[in-house]
Amino acid sequence: DGGITQSPKYLFRKEGQNVTLSCEQNLNHDAMYWYRQDPGQGLRLIYYSQIVNDFQKGDIAEGYSVSREKKESFPLTVTSAQKNPTAFYLCASSETLGINQPQHFGDGTRLSIL
Amino acid sequence: KNEVEQSPQNLTAQEGEFITINCSYSVGISALHWLQQHPGGGIVSLFMLSSGKKKHGRLIATINIQEKHSSLHITASHPRDSAVYICAVTPGGSQGNLIFGKGTKLSVKP
Repeated sequence: DGGITQSPKYLFRKEGQNVTLSCEQNLNHDAMYWYRQDPGQGLRLIYYSQIVNDFQKGDIAEGYSVSREKKESFPLTVTSAQKNPTAFYLCASSETLGINQPQHFGDGTRLSIL
Repeated sequence: KNEVEQSPQNLTAQEGEFITINCSYSVGISALHWLQQHPGGGIVSLFMLSSGKKKHGRLIATINIQEKHSSLHITASHPRDSAVYICAVTPGGSQGNLIFGKGTKLSVKP
C-alpha cells in the first residue's frame, strides 16, 4: 500500500531540546511538504522540497530545519529556537511541484512541550 | 482578512440530511482543493477542481471562478461523514503551494 508514514504519532519535548519528526513516502513523489496546524487556524507551510537535495522555506520556517537526502524521506527538526513548538505537524507529498498536483498527506505528529 | 474563508465553522446535522459547506477566496487561483481531516488528524484529498463541478459518490464539489466561491455538498449524510472539511486554493502564479481555510467541523448524528 503506497502512502506517507509519519512517526511518532505523539512526541514530547523538553524546553531547549531539538526534536526530529520523521516523514517517509513510498509513492515515488518528487515534492514533499511540511505543514503546521494550530487549533482554529488553517494549515501553514513550514518547508517544501521540489526534489532531492533541494528545499525551500515556507511561510513559517523560523525555528525549523529540514533535509532531503533521499527521495522518500523528508525529516523535520524542531529546534530550540522555535518558541512555540506545540502543534500538530503534517507531512505531504505530490508527484511534482505544480499547480495541478493533488497532495497526499500523512496522519500527522502531535508535538507537546513538557 | 483571511484569503480563504469557510462557512459555517461548525455544523451539526441529522443522518440523511443534505449538507453544504461553503468556501470563498480573495485571490486568483489555479485550482481549489477540498480535503477531509479525520478525528485522528490524517487528511484525505477529496477533490481538486478549477471549473464546474465534480462528483464522487455522495460528495459533490462546485466552483464559480467569477464569484470566487466553491461549495462542497454531501447527500444522504451519515455519521461516518463526521470530520473537518478543509478548503485550500493554489494561487495563480504560485509553484503549487496551497493556502488553507480554517476548516468546517461537521458532526452527523444518527
